[in-house]
Amino acid sequence: GQNIDQPTEMTATEGAIVQINCTYQTSGFNGLFWYQQHAGEAPTFLSYNVLDGLEEKGRFSSFLSRSKGYSYLLLKELQMKDSASYLCAVRDSSNDYKLSFGAGTTVTVRA
Amino acid sequence: DGGITQSPKYLFRKEGQNVTLSCEQNLNHDAMYWYRQDPGQGLRLIYYSQIVNDFQKGDIAEGYSVSREKKESFPLTVTSAQKNPTAFYLCASNGAWGRGYTFGSGTRLTVV
Repeated sequence: GQNIDQPTEMTATEGAIVQINCTYQTSGFNGLFWYQQHAGEAPTFLSYNVLDGLEEKGRFSSFLSRSKGYSYLLLKELQMKDSASYLCAVRDSSNDYKLSFGAGTTVTVRA
Repeated sequence: DGGITQSPKYLFRKEGQNVTLSCEQNLNHDAMYWYRQDPGQGLRLIYYSQIVNDFQKGDIAEGYSVSREKKESFPLTVTSAQKNPTAFYLCASNGAWGRGYTFGSGTRLTVV
């Protein structure tokens, strides 16, 4: 099975940068996803990495290192609306019909 | 607009009752999933279906049942055999992996 670890909570100031790390162990890697979830709502797709490197999408960027089993989500120019839970999810090639999720990182943005 | 609709948003169940959560999608996706979300835990897979008239157990299927008679619909029944059903239930579908899942808005089930 998968073991996906991410910090439980992070706090940052409006306008700052926050980096959310995710480490994973899989028997075969076939993609990593980041989702944003506001309290009581559905997760929404943020990014997808399958090759090593950085994917940039506006204020959000995601990085992947397959050899290290490591990814991070970088949130720049933080806004109050970025306060949410951020979920790291991995697709394992041995069970590629599904995603396995970490417990999520709750980010609180303070004024 | 295409999407996934879950209903109801809130559901209360008495001990010993079965309840059914609805999930409907108009995205023309083949694959559909049910996940359960508890505080401090990652989403856990209950059941999934990759095609109409076929479904498979996920990691925590005990006490749950599903059907997939139509491509658009994947209802989940929480039976009285599920000992700890209070949770947030999310339905998802998937068309192409580059976009990952599309999630419904969730159903919060509470046992009273």
